[in-house]
Amino acid sequence: AQRVTQPEKLLSVFKGAPVELKCNYSYSGSPELFWYVQYSRQRLQLLLRHISRESIKGFTADLNKGETSFHLKKPFAQEEDSAMYYCALRGDTGRRALTFGSGTRLQVQP
Amino acid sequence: EAGVAQSPRYKIIEKRQSVAFWCNPISGHATLYWYQQILGQGPKLLIQFQNNGVVDDSQLPKDRFSAERLKGVDSTLKIQPAKLEDSAVYLCASSTIPRSTDTQYFGPGTRLTVL
Repeated sequence: AQRVTQPEKLLSVFKGAPVELKCNYSYSGSPELFWYVQYSRQRLQLLLRHISRESIKGFTADLNKGETSFHLKKPFAQEEDSAMYYCALRGDTGRRALTFGSGTRLQVQP
Repeated sequence: EAGVAQSPRYKIIEKRQSVAFWCNPISGHATLYWYQQILGQGPKLLIQFQNNGVVDDSQLPKDRFSAERLKGVDSTLKIQPAKLEDSAVYLCASSTIPRSTDTQYFGPGTRLTVL
């Protein structure tokens, strides 16, 4: 079975502060990990995936297989980062659908 | 390119009634997914199609939910009869043939309220 856990429902920070959204997963094989974001009144969209190893909108995430984590980080939060963030996992065999965490709402205050 | 389209955007029905949702994926996308997102939770897969064949429907409550994808393009998801616990946002997503680099693109969702 595969599971994704996002322990924080809400994370509130001030503009310019560092951000870390936590994601832990449970999967026996080699998973693919993703972060999806949903801005207010917009549809769910891909932010980044671990295999790309890229920075999107200043966000990065590193897959730590030892700790089974894929935390999302940004050194300096911006007000436009306020959104709902979902961590998702896709297994390496069988079904290709995503297993999502319950999401973390990021509020960046001015 | 045009995104994934869904209709209706909102639907309110009473329990035991029937309801249907429609999805039009991105042109050329062979894979189509239906997810259910209950308030406060992440999306959960209901069914996955590749072209017009079902790949995974293990989490679809088949006693009341059904889905089809005729001709491998548009898809409909039906609930009959609806229960209170079916209140959720129903998301459709599509992608190219699954491989390590494919991205799922989501529609705006249909918000269902069952009274």
